[in-house]
Amino acid sequence: DAGVIQSPRHEVTEMGQEVTLRCKPISGHNSLFWYRQTMMRGLELLIYFNNNVPIDDSGMPEDRFSAKMPNASFSTLKIQPSEPRDSAVYFCASGGGAGQPQHFGDGTRLSIL
Amino acid sequence: AQSVTQPDIHITVSEGASLELRCNYSYGATPYLFWYVQSPGQGLQLLLKYFSGDTLVQGIKGFEAEFKRSQSSFNLRKPSVHWSDAAEYFCAVGAGSGGGADGLTFGKGTHLIIQP
Repeated sequence: DAGVIQSPRHEVTEMGQEVTLRCKPISGHNSLFWYRQTMMRGLELLIYFNNNVPIDDSGMPEDRFSAKMPNASFSTLKIQPSEPRDSAVYFCASGGGAGQPQHFGDGTRLSIL
Repeated sequence: AQSVTQPDIHITVSEGASLELRCNYSYGATPYLFWYVQSPGQGLQLLLKYFSGDTLVQGIKGFEAEFKRSQSSFNLRKPSVHWSDAAEYFCAVGAGSGGGADGLTFGKGTHLIIQP
């Protein structure tokens, strides 16, 4: 079975540009999570969806960050405008619901110059 | 709100020796606990999980963990480490539904170094 698929794997862009990260969850999973990993703060939950509905976005750092899940097989995390402090590895994970663990993608390594 | 503490940032172990990685959690109800492993440039792979029942849980790659409610701990163990076990290890706690439908709170991780 295919796991969680994230694209791109690496993104390098200049400050002020719009960045869009993409995620395809495991088929049949109805929960999707976006995390950010940095050396200073470790792994932080940004936002998660259940059945395509955003449940908790309290971890989204600023209004520059937004996430959507238009259908059960696709989600995006957008940063506009991007800043150097947004540089991090962004992970998407999906879960099969209550009592099931989360499965992670390989992440997107984002560098904002 | 829940929290996870991994007191050891780095641990160095000789190949073939036993391993214990510490994890302490804070959560007001029965926790759902996980250990994940991350190799460089990779995502997180689930090693094992505790949801309920037997407090000693077995995972992949020969790892096990023991849930001790009285100590709020969920330490990861392996009787004999291999060089391929060198990686970053994360302990996590999930609330409510056990992680599958709620976000996880992670510890800061323990970097495991294996000496030949």
